[in-house]
Amino acid sequence: SQQGEEDPQALSIQEGENATMNCSYKTSINNLQWYRQNSGRGLVHLILIRSNEREKHSGRLRVTLDTSKKSSSLLITASRAADTASYFCATVNTGFQKLVFGTGTRLLVSP
Amino acid sequence: SQTIHQWPATLVQPVGSPLSLECTVEGTSNPNLYWYRQAAGRGLQLLFYSVGIGQISSEVPQNLSASRPQDRQFILSSKKLLLSDSGFYLCAWRSGSSYEQYFGPGTRLTVT
Repeated sequence: SQQGEEDPQALSIQEGENATMNCSYKTSINNLQWYRQNSGRGLVHLILIRSNEREKHSGRLRVTLDTSKKSSSLLITASRAADTASYFCATVNTGFQKLVFGTGTRLLVSP
Repeated sequence: SQTIHQWPATLVQPVGSPLSLECTVEGTSNPNLYWYRQAAGRGLQLLFYSVGIGQISSEVPQNLSASRPQDRQFILSSKKLLLSDSGFYLCAWRSGSSYEQYFGPGTRLTVT
């Protein structure tokens, strides 16, 4: 079943602008991950944030996690046309065996 | 380095026909393996996962089955396909010591 819900479902911006995507989840987690999927391709892991972390950076990516609100956000700074893709959050359950994916945000970055 | 392969890349099958999708991983041993299905414009639904040879956990009751005959081989099967089995099937692996999953390129299945 889907645990995460991303918001917005779709986002359209210009190159150079920042893109923010939000994810909400329902149960206690060990960690939360963000993945990117280009159209018709497999998913690529972007970043992982543990439940005891509040913020994490990787290049132009910034992820925040608020376990009290069961929510996370992904910020892509200075976006590029190549960032056009769908972005999914995924949570790891306490058994650590499974990822539960959200519904995704489709990001379109126009030149 | 590790790589994951899936084949075929695309498949068009009639209703009622059998299915066999294969996934293999190279460059690692004893991976955890996963099969997901993605409907058009939707998120991923976990179908099966395996922590070792012959060990399969099913997440969604349906007419699909999975097998792991070798350490780095994961097979998704069906005896009789339904229209609702159409979708994008993704295989993924992770090592036992990490949480990140690594995905194959996927198989686009269309049941007609």
